[in-house]
Amino acid sequence: AQKVTQAQTEISVVEKEDVTLDCVYETRDTTYYLFWYKQPPSGELVFLIRRNSFDEQNEISGRYSWNFQKSTSSFNFTITASQVVDSAVYFCALSERARGAQKLVFGQGTRLTINP
Amino acid sequence: DVKVTQSSRYLVKRTGEKVFLECVQDMDHENMFWYRQDPGLGLRLIYFSYDVKMKEKGDIPEGYSVSREKKERFSLILESASTNQTSMYLCASSLMVWQGNYGYTFGSGTRLTVV
Repeated sequence: AQKVTQAQTEISVVEKEDVTLDCVYETRDTTYYLFWYKQPPSGELVFLIRRNSFDEQNEISGRYSWNFQKSTSSFNFTITASQVVDSAVYFCALSERARGAQKLVFGQGTRLTINP
Repeated sequence: DVKVTQSSRYLVKRTGEKVFLECVQDMDHENMFWYRQDPGLGLRLIYFSYDVKMKEKGDIPEGYSVSREKKERFSLILESASTNQTSMYLCASSLMVWQGNYGYTFGSGTRLTVV
């Protein structure tokens, strides 16, 4: 069965530091999608990125960047020059084929606290 | 703006009550999902539906049932609420994977407390 592991339960850094959130996954599918979501204190999950298993290019969006390495089954997320507004719980997720649909398998989440 | 709306933000129910959690999406999505979120466990799938009246069990379906009579609405039912069902419940919807802009949209969640 598919599995997503976010080994870092909590991370706390000072504002402006760079921080990397780790994500390791297991799947037997040859085609799959990986996602990162942000959950601020309000509770709603906010989509950050989707990555297709055939596309191993790293992606940068402002202060956010993602490193996808199929060889190590990892999809890590880096925030550069962190800000207090980045404080949230971050989830990595893997799509899993299911009858008629693709369902998401989530990691346990990493609580990130950015201190001023 | 596309939306997934969950009817209640907070609910308090008594043990043994039948509880309905409602979710409505306005994006004409085929797939809908119910997850529960607990600290240290992430989000775990309870049930999902890939079409009207079609449903599939997720990883933790025990004690729950679902109903999807219309495409836009997916209801989660706790037949007889128990204290171990105290949790945050999140509804989501998605397109089919082969459709463009494949992704998931989540509701704001319902925090259910069973006393």
